[in-house]
Amino acid sequence: NAGVTQTPKFRVLKTGQSMTLLCAQDMNHEYMYWYRQDPGMGLRLIHYSVGEGTTAKGEVPDGYNVSRLKKQNFLLGLESAAPSQTSVYFCASSYIEVTGANVLTFGAGSRLTVL
Amino acid sequence: QQPVQSPQAVILREGEDAVINCSSSKALYSVHWYRQKHGEAPVFLMILLKGGEQKGHEKISASFNEKKQQSSLYLTASQLSYSGTYFCGTEQISGAGSYQLTFGKGTKLSVIP
Repeated sequence: NAGVTQTPKFRVLKTGQSMTLLCAQDMNHEYMYWYRQDPGMGLRLIHYSVGEGTTAKGEVPDGYNVSRLKKQNFLLGLESAAPSQTSVYFCASSYIEVTGANVLTFGAGSRLTVL
Repeated sequence: QQPVQSPQAVILREGEDAVINCSSSKALYSVHWYRQKHGEAPVFLMILLKGGEQKGHEKISASFNEKKQQSSLYLTASQLSYSGTYFCGTEQISGAGSYQLTFGKGTKLSVIP
């Protein structure tokens, strides 16, 4: 199994351009998440989804949109990229175990640079 | 709101012990611990649930004080492979169910020979 796969791994954009990051998971997980990681800031939640067709805002949602049209895919879009969106983006997926534990599996990350 | 981790960084010699702390200002449902090596994705280590359920790593242990909203990660007899940045993540108690995992800023652990 591939687990959680993110594409692309690297991307350079100019200010104002748009792009979409794709996250795909093959574990049949219900929940999916997009985080961004910046030096000294840890992982901050952008948006998340608790099932196909549903999305919700996290801590830092401004400037991003998401869609979950299929259970296995979670897309993160930047409509008009800004230098402040330069970051490493991580996708994760999870399911709630019988015990109530919600363990996340992360993708390898996508490094985005906005010039 | 991000949980607060301490210390921010620690350097150990092989075989030494370390404790990493995580605290929140809100009532918690669970605390997660992840480790991230440079240039890689975070990897799950441990989860501690309200009520005492625990699932985790063979050589790393943790505690969860529900009343104080605090957790500590204990690394004993450290090995070179323990080097990395450790993140705690917290899930808050929510009537609608809690699916958001909020991470601290991380603790950088360096183990030297």
